[in-house]
Amino acid sequence: DAGVIQSPRHEVTEMGQEVTLRCKPISGHDYLFWYRQTMMRGLELLIYFNNNVPIDDSGMPEDRFSAKMPNASFSTLKIQPSEPRDSAVYFCASSLYDQKAFFGQGTRLTVV
Amino acid sequence: QKEVEQNSGPLSVPEGAIASLNCTYSDRGSQSFFWYRQYSGKSPELIMFIYSNGDKEDGRFTAQLNKASQYVSLLIRDSQPSDSATYLCAAGGNQFYFGTGTSLTVIP
Repeated sequence: DAGVIQSPRHEVTEMGQEVTLRCKPISGHDYLFWYRQTMMRGLELLIYFNNNVPIDDSGMPEDRFSAKMPNASFSTLKIQPSEPRDSAVYFCASSLYDQKAFFGQGTRLTVV
Repeated sequence: QKEVEQNSGPLSVPEGAIASLNCTYSDRGSQSFFWYRQYSGKSPELIMFIYSNGDKEDGRFTAQLNKASQYVSLLIRDSQPSDSATYLCAAGGNQFYFGTGTSLTVIP
């Protein structure tokens, strides 16, 4: 298996633009997590899904953020409109019930 | 209070020494505990997990769990320069939390 695949690896966008991050989890994993990592706040859980259903989105910072998982092999995290303070590395991770999470390579987002 | 707390370091040890990394957690419902290693500019990588009180050894790594004290540790024996990284502690159960990580530098 190729592991968790995220795209794009890097994204530079202007403030106010819509940003969509994509994730393909490891086949057979039924949990999917979206994290944001910054120097100041470390690794923060934004939302996680179980069997494509959002379970806990309490970490989503505000209504500008939304996440979907239309099927077991694909998820998106969307920011609309983007702001400079959204600049961070966004990780997607997947796991089985045992919570041993495997992380993707991350998307480095810069909002200017 | 953060759910998982780690000393941010930096922690420096000489090559060949034992590095000791510590973590405390606040949610008594946490049942599973993980250590991830993250090299600069890379994604976190799972290196150890532990579910029961006591020690669990895997090569040069030993994870220790004390649920009564809500304390988890990671020992790295015979530290190598390649062990230089940030180590993240995580606790799972009904919720899943990461600590902010401890930066480890192994000095040749």
